[in-house]
Amino acid sequence: AQKVTQAQTEISVVEKEDVTLDCVYETRDTTYYLFWYKQPPSGELVFLIRRNSFDEQNEISGRYSWNFQKSTSSFNFTITASQVVDSAVYFCALSETGANNLFFGTGTRLTVIP
Amino acid sequence: DTGVSQNPRHKITKRGQNVTFRCDPISEHNRLYWYRQTLGQGPEFLTYFQNEAQLEKSRLLSDRFSAERPKGSFSTLEIQRTEQGDSAMYLCASSESSGGPTDTQYFGPGTRLTVL
Repeated sequence: AQKVTQAQTEISVVEKEDVTLDCVYETRDTTYYLFWYKQPPSGELVFLIRRNSFDEQNEISGRYSWNFQKSTSSFNFTITASQVVDSAVYFCALSETGANNLFFGTGTRLTVIP
Repeated sequence: DTGVSQNPRHKITKRGQNVTFRCDPISEHNRLYWYRQTLGQGPEFLTYFQNEAQLEKSRLLSDRFSAERPKGSFSTLEIQRTEQGDSAMYLCASSESSGGPTDTQYFGPGTRLTVL
């Protein structure tokens, strides 16, 4: 059975601090996809990144970076030099081969204090 | 390119009434998904369409729920005889089938339903 755990319910940081959001997943599939979405107060889920299980290279996009480690079944997300606009709920999600749906974690609410 | 749109954004109804929500996907996307999100939780999958065919339904989709996508473009989600437990955010997403196993889903702003 698939499972996505985001153990951090809420995190608060002061602006310009770095912050890492944790995501641990469980799946029996050898081929799967992992995603991160951002949900600002407006409610719309914004796609951030998609990574397949065969690509363990870390990725950096501006102030965002992702660390995928199959050995620990983790796909962590780091925001460098956080800004107030980063305040949102962040969701990690998993999709298994042949599945048409995303399976989401419970999310981490990030508050960046000015 | 416009994103996924959903109407209405908010709906307040009394228990026992029927409600219908609409989703307009990104124009070239042939896959459409409905999710439900309750407070403090991540979205949960309800159903999925490929063009006009409804190919998958979650067990969360009770017989009071029905979804359609009549011409493979917009979709509607109807809830009959609403219950207070139906209060949630209903999210729609769409994706463009690339022929691969998983497409990236793009979400709309959601319809927040409150059942009194």
